[in-house]
Amino acid sequence: RKEVEQDPGPFNVPEGATVAFNCTYSNSASQSFFWYRQDCRKEPKLLMSVYSSGNEDGRFTAQLNRASQYISLLIRDSKLSDSATYLCVVNGNTGKLIFGQGTTLQVKP
Amino acid sequence: GAGVSQSPSNKVTEKGKDVELRCDPISGHTALYWYRQSLGQGLEFLIYFQGNSAPDKSGLPSDRFSAERTGGSVSTLTIQRTQQEDSAVYLCASSRQAGGYGYTFGSGTRLTVV
Repeated sequence: RKEVEQDPGPFNVPEGATVAFNCTYSNSASQSFFWYRQDCRKEPKLLMSVYSSGNEDGRFTAQLNRASQYISLLIRDSKLSDSATYLCVVNGNTGKLIFGQGTTLQVKP
Repeated sequence: GAGVSQSPSNKVTEKGKDVELRCDPISGHTALYWYRQSLGQGLEFLIYFQGNSAPDKSGLPSDRFSAERTGGSVSTLTIQRTQQEDSAVYLCASSRQAGGYGYTFGSGTRLTVV
């Protein structure tokens, strides 16, 4: 079983739609959680950290359920510029980040 | 510099040759990581340096791969006797400290073994 699992998609949605991505992780000792965004042929960039109480940054909302070892990312009012691959990232207690395979989002006009 | 710098940005090499990939982390970042990403795949952890501690080499795929970090700053990833399956984008990242902080990635070195 992979340490971090995501539905690879692709998710094809119209502009303005709300879309949600899910992620599960296997290491219950994981301490920190992130969502990264990766554009085609570019390096990953930090989108947002994920806090236990849930957190929001504009149109983006991240949630963490430690009991279920589940992380989610919600994007409201999708824009064309949101098209990218979204990586679920988990830090265990080893100091390094473990990346999921990514979920591809394509927002269409 | 302001960001993580990697060189070269592209490298084409013949099978069997050795290659060196360089990473300059953000000044003051004590943690440095190497990952690789094959076409259409996720990021695969290779090696991680934290300060003066022994590096975590658990992700290196074979003994042809090695890395060092000199003076707690610049890192070099060396691949000996390259094989076609080594073709990938090699990404370096740094962070202020290990653990619960996000990384800043460099733009990567695209390695093609022919």
